[in-house]
Amino acid sequence: GENVEQHPSTLSVQEGDSAVIKCTYSDSASNYFPWYKQELGKGPQLIIDIRSNVGEKKDQRIAVTLNKTAKHFSLHITETQPEDSAVYFCAASMKNYGQNFVFGPGTRLSVLP
Amino acid sequence: SAVISQKPSRDICQRGTSLTIQCQVDSQVTMMFWYRQQPGQSLTLIATANQGSEATYESGFVIDKFPISRPNLTFSTLTVSNMSPEDSSIYLCSVKFHEQFFGPGTRLTVL
Repeated sequence: GENVEQHPSTLSVQEGDSAVIKCTYSDSASNYFPWYKQELGKGPQLIIDIRSNVGEKKDQRIAVTLNKTAKHFSLHITETQPEDSAVYFCAASMKNYGQNFVFGPGTRLSVLP
Repeated sequence: SAVISQKPSRDICQRGTSLTIQCQVDSQVTMMFWYRQQPGQSLTLIATANQGSEATYESGFVIDKFPISRPNLTFSTLTVSNMSPEDSSIYLCSVKFHEQFFGPGTRLTVL
């Protein structure tokens, strides 16, 4: 089955700097890769996703890149703000009905003012 | 999108007791999912609950320990039975439309 690794486990950056979180997956059949942000005391919230027919996707300060050959994808946050502090999870799945996600272990991001 | 609510939001229970967690969705969905998130850990799927059929459990989870009900297309319950301190976790309800949405979670502490 699918296995998703995520690095780093913790990341501290200064406000305004960029943050990068990387994930690798094992199943070449996976074709959908969402990223979730979980703030303290809340459930995970989808922040961006990418499908395997796309190499990069951007939404304001957040971008995701995908390298299908190498089976890795990354989350990039630019101009970080204190409210970006949270735990971020990557996931991989086959985007067909009923197929669930395999989540990475998570990255705790701290943005220091 | 979907709005998912869970009850209770948190609870502290004694070992050996059971707790039933409720999940309510504002839209009709065929499949609902229950996840466990142990302290500082990632999300692990417990089971998939389809309306009108038995829930499908993942490896390591059994119906006797985590019975699930799915009486209609907007509601599900997960019971954590005969609890031990190792069951202390956040339990999350989730649904999938085009994307997967999560409820706010139920934080369970077992003493």
